[in-house]
Amino acid sequence: AQKVTQAQTEISVVEKEDVTLDCVYETRDTTYYLFWYKQPPSGELVFLIRRNSFDEQNEISGRYSWNFQKSTSSFNFTITASQVVDSAVYFCALSRRDDKIIFGKGTRLHILP
Amino acid sequence: NAGVTQTPKFRVLKTGQSMTLLCAQDMNHEYMYWYRQDPGMGLRLIHYSVGEGTTAKGEVPDGYNVSRLKKQNFLLGLESAAPSQTSVYFCASSLRGGLLPNNEQFFGPGTRLTVL
Repeated sequence: AQKVTQAQTEISVVEKEDVTLDCVYETRDTTYYLFWYKQPPSGELVFLIRRNSFDEQNEISGRYSWNFQKSTSSFNFTITASQVVDSAVYFCALSRRDDKIIFGKGTRLHILP
Repeated sequence: NAGVTQTPKFRVLKTGQSMTLLCAQDMNHEYMYWYRQDPGMGLRLIHYSVGEGTTAKGEVPDGYNVSRLKKQNFLLGLESAAPSQTSVYFCASSLRGGLLPNNEQFFGPGTRLTVL
């Protein structure tokens, strides 16, 4: 079975703290893609990153970084020096062979001023 | 580029009424998807299309129909709306799907539908 688990339903941190959002996935495919999306309070879904299963190199984009570990089937997302604008629901997702993407249930992140 | 647009943004229906939600994309994407988002349920796939003239069922297709007559448009229809279909509906598109590169989905702004 293919599955994406985001065990943290809701997280609150104080502004400028670092925060890591966990994502654990299950798949039998040897080739797959993982994604992160952001849904701010305004409601739209914003694509953040795609990671190929063959590329385990960590990715950094400004204050955002992603840690992909095949050994633990995890694709965690870290925000460094968090800001109030980072408050959102974050979704992790996994591609499937049948053209679909499986989404986790999301982690709601509150950044407190 | 407008990206993915959805019409309307909000709608209130009475039980039994019908309506069509329109999704349009100007990125020349092959794949298009309709999701619904309910509190605590994440995103659930209703129907999708892998190209003009094709449609396929997703996770929760009952009560909905779709059509993809033109590559840039993907229509979602509710023939006889029910209160259980109260939700936020998102359309998405991608250049490719499955396990191919460029398979990331880009989303429209959503349609908030209430069925009384």
